[in-house]
Amino acid sequence: EAGVTQSPTHLIKTRGQQATLRCSPISGHTSVYWYQQALGLGLQFLLWYDEGEERNRGNFPPRFSGRQFPNYSSELNVNALELEDSALYLCASSLGRLAKNIQYFGAGTRLSVL
Amino acid sequence: SQQGEEDPQALSIQEGENATMNCSYKTSINNLQWYRQNSGRGLVHLILIRSNEREKHSGRLRVTLDTSKKSSSLLITASRAADTASYFCATDEGAGGTSYGKLTFGQGTILTVHP
Repeated sequence: EAGVTQSPTHLIKTRGQQATLRCSPISGHTSVYWYQQALGLGLQFLLWYDEGEERNRGNFPPRFSGRQFPNYSSELNVNALELEDSALYLCASSLGRLAKNIQYFGAGTRLSVL
Repeated sequence: SQQGEEDPQALSIQEGENATMNCSYKTSINNLQWYRQNSGRGLVHLILIRSNEREKHSGRLRVTLDTSKKSSSLLITASRAADTASYFCATDEGAGGTSYGKLTFGQGTILTVHP
């Protein structure tokens, strides 16, 4: 069974550009989560999507947005990139909204903003 | 902000020794999970312990949870060089089975196991 897949593996952008990161959940999983792991800041929760809707959002500015498609895959968009957006972006998926559901993570997309 | 505080920040041991990592948190939780991360890549889920459980085992892993002290510990027995990684605790905040989807991670413990 395929795990959570993320693309691209690496992404290099310049300040002010937009970045789009993609995530395919494990088959059968309806919830997708996005996290940012920036140097010195640790792992921070960004967004949670379930059944196509945004269910929760972390403490990030509105230029961080995303969506979930009918096949449960998801995109994270970061507009007006800033140098401090350089980080590893991790996507996770789970079976649904119950608290007992484990979040399984992908390998991440490393975004570098120059 | 990170709810979890992990201790120690770094741990260096020899193969065959046991490794113990501790985690503290601040709010009520549904469950607490431990993850491993190798070389800044994706997280691998190790074990989940629910708020009404006190101890859980999985292979060489033993996790304890003390909700009165808001703390947890992860014990890896008979460590191997392949256990070298960063270990994170993560809490699912909320109560009564309702999840906000958000895992709050500790800063992590860097474990180095020397052959």
